[in-house]
Amino acid sequence: QTVVTQEPSFSVSPGGTVTLTCGLSSGSVSINYYPSWYQQTPGQTPRTLIYSTNARSSGVPDRFSGSILGNKAALTITGAQADDESDYYCVLYMGGGIWVFGGGTKLTVL
Amino acid sequence: QLQRQESGPGLVKPSETLSLTCTVSSGSISSSTYYWGWIRQPPGKGLEWIGSIYYTGSTYYNPSLRSRVTISVDTSKHQFSLKLSSVTAADTAVYYCARQAYKYGVDVWGQGTTVTVSS
Repeated sequence: QTVVTQEPSFSVSPGGTVTLTCGLSSGSVSINYYPSWYQQTPGQTPRTLIYSTNARSSGVPDRFSGSILGNKAALTITGAQADDESDYYCVLYMGGGIWVFGGGTKLTVL
Repeated sequence: QLQRQESGPGLVKPSETLSLTCTVSSGSISSSTYYWGWIRQPPGKGLEWIGSIYYTGSTYYNPSLRSRVTISVDTSKHQFSLKLSSVTAADTAVYYCARQAYKYGVDVWGQGTTVTVSS
């Protein structure tokens, strides 16, 4: 079964830039997987940030951006703020109506 | 879009069947753009896609749960439902209903319902 990989944790300084990635246990992520990204703070419903690789969801600040970097999807946060401290999940569409979540990255801003 | 998430009991006994229903705003459940899905999150763990249904009734399931999951849709009631059979403590989680599209990912989330499996 396909595994979607994410860094378990990452840290960034306030005002800094961080790139989180989303890969496959076997193969490369491309735009054909329509990668999407979600932010979740403890006890809250996930918030959709990015869909179709690099399209920002309504109301998401432009310091969040999505891309393909090498063989992975990437979420870049530019000018990190304290309230960006959250868990971030990617999802890949595998085709045939099947979606797979990554394990999530816990981002610390300090 | 997802008006409410209705649930059966928040407590289900081991080996029994978990049942949840999600109500969708009028008309949109028959949209050809979207799938209607269920996602769960065990305490302290990540998100897991359970499965989705298209308005035509076509279903798609996580292979790891396929043998125990049934998702159905009732377009007349603007509802879709989840049944998960033979539950164990490992099925204890917050269950979210969601609207999905391959282009848009999960673009609308329900508020989540906590289901605990315990005797």
